[in-house]
Amino acid sequence: GDSVTQMEGPVTLSEEAFLTINCTYTATGYPSLFWYVQYPGEGLQLLLKATKADDKGSNKGFEATYRKETTSFHLEKGSVQVSDSAVYFCALKLLPYRDDKIIFGKGTRLHILP
Amino acid sequence: DTAVSQTPKYLVTQMGNDKSIKCEQNLGHDTMYWYKQDSKKFLKIMFSYNNKELIINETVPNRFSPKSPDKAHLNLHINSLELGDSAVYFCASSQVGGNTIYFGEGSWLTVV
Repeated sequence: GDSVTQMEGPVTLSEEAFLTINCTYTATGYPSLFWYVQYPGEGLQLLLKATKADDKGSNKGFEATYRKETTSFHLEKGSVQVSDSAVYFCALKLLPYRDDKIIFGKGTRLHILP
Repeated sequence: DTAVSQTPKYLVTQMGNDKSIKCEQNLGHDTMYWYKQDSKKFLKIMFSYNNKELIINETVPNRFSPKSPDKAHLNLHINSLELGDSAVYFCASSQVGGNTIYFGEGSWLTVV
């Protein structure tokens, strides 16, 4: 079935370190891919998205490229900040099926140390 | 204006009670969802409605009953609450065939 697999956390980094959170997917059809972020005690926010192969989504210094050949959508940031500490969810949405839904990975908790 | 709004944000209630969480979206979307986030942060879809019609009903106890009075609203009613129902419940919406889903801020339910 359709699924999303992302690296298990928690991931702990020092401020200004380089971040990669791996995400791979399995899907029938051509999904759109997303990264959502959940800050402590808050709801889900869309961080970035990509809707077709080779698209790059970017926001707040984060980037992810839709790689169809490796079925991956890894999240990267060149220099993390303490304020980036949150749980990050990779997700896919299948199109154009009527019963479209978004499928989430299990989330990766990120801790950034000052 | 909040695109997807849900109330209440926090709810503490006793086992056996019946409670509802309301959700409204002002985006003109056709599809609305309820997701449950457990204590391990795992997000799982519960229900999906398209134009007031139930589309997805994952394996959810019958105590959970969604109600969609119109396509802008999807409420979640829970009967006979159990301790295991404690979770964060997220409402969301999207356009059919669209490529983005928008989430509400979540409702933190604690059953004691």
